[in-house]
Amino acid sequence: QQQVKQSPQSLIVQKGGISIINCAYENTAFDYFPWYQQFPGKGPALLIAIRPDVSEKKEGRFTISFNKSAKQFSLHIMDSQPGDSATYFCAAIIVPSNTGKLIFGQGTTLQVKP
Amino acid sequence: GAGVSQSPRYKVTKRGQDVALRCDPISGHVSLYWYRQALGQGPEFLTYFNYEAQQDKSGLPNDRFSAERPEGSISTLTIQRTEQRDSAMYRCASSQRPGLNEQFFGPGTRLTVL
Repeated sequence: QQQVKQSPQSLIVQKGGISIINCAYENTAFDYFPWYQQFPGKGPALLIAIRPDVSEKKEGRFTISFNKSAKQFSLHIMDSQPGDSATYFCAAIIVPSNTGKLIFGQGTTLQVKP
Repeated sequence: GAGVSQSPRYKVTKRGQDVALRCDPISGHVSLYWYRQALGQGPEFLTYFNYEAQQDKSGLPNDRFSAERPEGSISTLTIQRTEQRDSAMYRCASSQRPGLNEQFFGPGTRLTVL
C-alpha cells in the first residue's frame, strides 16, 4: 500500500517557469512532511519541510503548500533554473514514533530547459 | 566534515551468495536508517537503529535480511542467499537523533544479483 502518492512522475519546465509537484497521503497520523532533492549518483538531501499546523512555508524559491483537510501538499519551485533539474521526493513521518522513519513518495524527475 | 559513507559502491553477486553492505554514519549521529530504493522509486524503509539497538526492523522483507550496529557506529546490512529480486540501491542515512532531525543519506550501494 502506497501511503504517500506523488505526481507527476516527470516534469519538463522552461527556465524561469514554475514547477509544481503534488503529494497526497492516507495516514492522518503523519505530522511532518519533508521534501528531498536527489541529483544523479547522489543520495537524497533535505530541501524543505513543513508541519501540518501551517498552510505554507517558503524558503527562497521553494514553497510548500499544505492542505490538511484534503491530505495533500505540494512543492512549488519559482523561477525554475537548469540547476534545479533533479528528482524530488515528498515524504512523511509520524513524529511521536521513536524511529523517525521516512515514508517516501515515488519521486518526480524534473527537467528545466534553458 | 565527512558525510555518510557506504561500501562497496557497487556489488555484483550470483544468486544464492551472501552479501554484506557497510554504512559509516556521520560521527556522533545516534540514529541510523537503512532504505532500499528500486529504480524509479522512492526509498523504502528497511530498519532503524538507535545507538546499537535495532528498534525497528518492520521493513526488512524476510528473514534473509539482517542488520547490526554492534558499537553504535558502523552498521552492516547482510543479505543471505541473495535472489534476483534483491537487486536495488541500498541507502544508509543517519541523523543526530530520531524524529524531526534531518536524515543525511549516503551515496548508496548498487547491488546486482545475477
